[in-house]
Amino acid sequence: EVQLVESGGGLVQPGGSLRLSCAASGFAFSNYWMYWVRQAPGKGLVWVSRISYDGSTTSYADSVKGRFTISRDNAKNTLYLQMNSLRAEDTAVYYCTSTGASGYWGQGTLVTVSS
Amino acid sequence: QAVVTQEPSLTVSPGGTVTLTCGSNTGDVTSGHYPYWFQQKPGQAPRTLIYETSNKHSWTPARFSGSLVGGKAALTLSGAQPEDEAEYYCLLSHSGARVFGGGTKLTVL
Repeated sequence: EVQLVESGGGLVQPGGSLRLSCAASGFAFSNYWMYWVRQAPGKGLVWVSRISYDGSTTSYADSVKGRFTISRDNAKNTLYLQMNSLRAEDTAVYYCTSTGASGYWGQGTLVTVSS
Repeated sequence: QAVVTQEPSLTVSPGGTVTLTCGSNTGDVTSGHYPYWFQQKPGQAPRTLIYETSNKHSWTPARFSGSLVGGKAALTLSGAQPEDEAEYYCLLSHSGARVFGGGTKLTVL
């Protein structure tokens, strides 16, 4: 069974940091580019970041550039998102998703930035 | 950053056909934008229906198809079912980044 399981979300104060993880199983994780996507309550999907299958290439949405860092550990089949200098507008459910012919999504982890 | 546009809402009759479109403010959408289509139902995670313009996943119902039409990416639903009522999002590639459209709320009525 294919699974993407996000973790690491929670309540954090403005200016704080969180590290999200996405544990993959049941498919060839190391063969696929991976994305982080977020969705604020009641709003649409927003692309956050992507990383190549081997971790050598990354890109970010302008809104998170310089604050968020995507990475992966293919030996552990895990994707990460390090989020620093968090703002209220970063409050959202964060999803990891695999791309191309895989196309899997996790169930998401909620990040709430509030004092 | 590029802006991706979708119809805010559409209605289709059960058994009917509807086409959702996905445009870009930078010009015509081509296969080089690697269009994706996603379906999201209330309270659920999104699900990928179409990748790279027209490719389906094993779980994609045969009644969904992806294409390029009139300078836009298109998702066509032929033979709508009540369970197809959902929000649909497209995603385009723009210079290394990716941009979602605002979503189309599809009502089957």
